[in-house]
Amino acid sequence: EDQVTQSPEALRLQEGESSSLNCSYTVSGLRGLFWYRQDPGKGPEFLFTLYSAGEEKEKERLKATLTKKESFLHITAPKPEDSATYLCAVQPSNDYKLSFGAGTTVTVRA
Amino acid sequence: GAVVSQHPSWVICKSGTSVKIECRSLDFQATTMFWYRQFPKQSLMLMATSNEGSKATYEQGVEKDKFLINHASLTLSTLTVTSAHPEDSSFYICSARENTGGEQYFGPGTRLTVT
Repeated sequence: EDQVTQSPEALRLQEGESSSLNCSYTVSGLRGLFWYRQDPGKGPEFLFTLYSAGEEKEKERLKATLTKKESFLHITAPKPEDSATYLCAVQPSNDYKLSFGAGTTVTVRA
Repeated sequence: GAVVSQHPSWVICKSGTSVKIECRSLDFQATTMFWYRQFPKQSLMLMATSNEGSKATYEQGVEKDKFLINHASLTLSTLTVTSAHPEDSSFYICSARENTGGEQYFGPGTRLTVT
C-alpha cells in the first residue's frame, strides 16, 4: 500500500524566515509526486509534479525537490500570503489515483 | 487553464433526504474524475474514481449504494448522497484529470451539513 508521511505537522515562521517541508513516501513504482496548496475551506491548488529523483521545480518562493524516498518543499523568504496547508501526494505507475499525506500547515507571521 | 467547478459550494439538508453535487471541468476534457471527502484538520480521502461512460470504482469501505456517482460526459460528474445522515456531513471535493497527464485539478469543494 502506498504511504505518504509529511513533517512537521505544523510550522510557524516569521516573514522572511526560510524553511523546508518534508514528504517521505513508499510507492509501488512512482508515476509522479505532487505538491498542492490548500487554503481553509477551499479545494487543493496544484503546485508541482515531480517525476524522477534529482528533479527540481520552482515557482516564486517555492522550490520542490525529489529523491527516491522523499521530497522537500523549500519556502524561501516566505510572506504571510504563503500561509496555507501544503499537501504531498504520490501516484503509482499503474494507476492515476493519488495517495495524500496529512499535510503541513504553515503560518507566516508579519 | 485547468479549472474545475463544483456546485453547490455548500448545502444543508435534513436527515433522510438526498443531495446531488456536480463537478465540471470548464476548459478541458476529463476522462477520469475523482471524488474525495475531507474531515476537519484531516487530509483528503479518496472515495471513488469516475470514468466517463462507465461505472465508478469505489474505494474499500465506501458504500456505492449510498454515494451514487455518474460521469455522463467528458466534462461532468455527479455525486449523489442518498438518504443522508448527520455522519455524512463533510467537505466533498472532486478532481479531474486531463487526458494527457497525471495531474489532478481540484474543484473548490462542497460543504455538506446534514441536520
